[in-house]
Amino acid sequence: GENVEQHPSTLSVQEGDSAVIKCTYSDSASNYFPWYKQELGKGPQLIIDIRSNVGEKKDQRIAVTLNKTAKHFSLHITETQPEDSAVYFCAARSYSGGYQKVTFGIGTKLQVIP
Amino acid sequence: DTEVTQTPKHLVMGMTNKKSLKCEQHMGHRAMYWYKQKAKKPPELMFVYSYEKLSINESVPSRFSPECPNSSLLNLHLHALQPEDSALYLCASSQDKSGGGGYTFGSGTRLTVV
Repeated sequence: GENVEQHPSTLSVQEGDSAVIKCTYSDSASNYFPWYKQELGKGPQLIIDIRSNVGEKKDQRIAVTLNKTAKHFSLHITETQPEDSAVYFCAARSYSGGYQKVTFGIGTKLQVIP
Repeated sequence: DTEVTQTPKHLVMGMTNKKSLKCEQHMGHRAMYWYKQKAKKPPELMFVYSYEKLSINESVPSRFSPECPNSSLLNLHLHALQPEDSALYLCASSQDKSGGGGYTFGSGTRLTVV
């Protein structure tokens, strides 16, 4: 099955700096890569996603890049703000046992220091 | 309505109790999911319902029993749980079982088994 590795596990940045979280996946057939933000006491929230036929996608201060050859994708947050502090999960959707299945990375705890 | 609503938010139950977790969405999504999340870990898939039929059971013990009464509701019936079952239980929905467009998660039920 699919294996998603995510790093770093924790990340501290100064407010206004950029943050980058990287993930690799193992199944070359994976075709959809969402990113989720989970704040304390809440469920994960989809913040951006990218499909395998696209190399980069941007939404205001958030961007995701995908390198299919290397099987890695990254989340970039620019001009970080304290409210960006949360746990971020990358995920990959692959085909397993007749069904599409989403596999999550281990998560990155981002702390933005004011 | 773009939310997944879960009740209760918190639940404490004894090992001999029977309780139920409830999940509701009115986005017209046809796939619904139960995930279990332990502290500092990513969500782990338990069950997938597609068009109100159970599609995936990730080898979950029979003390967890899912039910999908209609396309908007998803229940998780709990019986004879163990302390190690204490976790955050998340409900999610997506347009279909392919997970296209990502998942919408509820805020979860924090379950403590004593």
